[in-house]
Amino acid sequence: DIQMTQSPSSLSASVGDRVTITCRASQSISSYLNWYQQKPGKAPKLLIYAASSLQSGVPSRFSGSGSGTDFTLTISSLQPEDFATYYCQQSYSTRFTFGPGTKVDIK
Amino acid sequence: EVQLVESGGGLIQPGGSLRLSCAASGFTVSSNYMSWVRQAPGKGLEWVSVIYSGGSTYYADSVKGRFTISRDNSKNTLYLQMNSLRAEDTAVYYCARGSIPAAAGFDYWGQGTLVTVSS
Repeated sequence: DIQMTQSPSSLSASVGDRVTITCRASQSISSYLNWYQQKPGKAPKLLIYAASSLQSGVPSRFSGSGSGTDFTLTISSLQPEDFATYYCQQSYSTRFTFGPGTKVDIK
Repeated sequence: EVQLVESGGGLIQPGGSLRLSCAASGFTVSSNYMSWVRQAPGKGLEWVSVIYSGGSTYYADSVKGRFTISRDNSKNTLYLQMNSLRAEDTAVYYCARGSIPAAAGFDYWGQGTLVTVSS
């Protein structure tokens, strides 16, 4: 199976900060990488698909980049509603896998 | 409007069986790939199983041989039959719709149903 790692596992940031989260795959997954946001007690929400495509309805302050094994999710100006946990997920293999998550909380 | 509503969770003893259901509306389950994803208390997301539009199914190693994913097109419902349940299967189970084009992520999720495996 393809293993996914994320860094950092958690971070503290302030409203207005630029935040970058990294995701790495154990083998090349081309651009088959998706990002989700999850808030406590809620289902995950798709933010970015195919590494850099913004899901409909998602604010443009979210962006994704990368290909192969290394990917990033960037929030250009953190808003109060962005404090949550973020997960990457590969869809290259028929056996999908998620990263361990990055928790973004308030500094 | 696309909606996914899970049901069937509950408290079950180790070794027992449970069947989860995910009723879909606003689209046809057979036209998208559909997955089950679980989340143990305080932990991250774990992909469990997928069924593709053509009927192919795949499972995580942790549930292979014990869980079976299926769908009923006439009821527009996805299922997860869980047998030989273990304590480590305790989690909130979500059904999720695969986006089109394929492999473009899970664009709709249910609210989740809690499965607790304990004696």
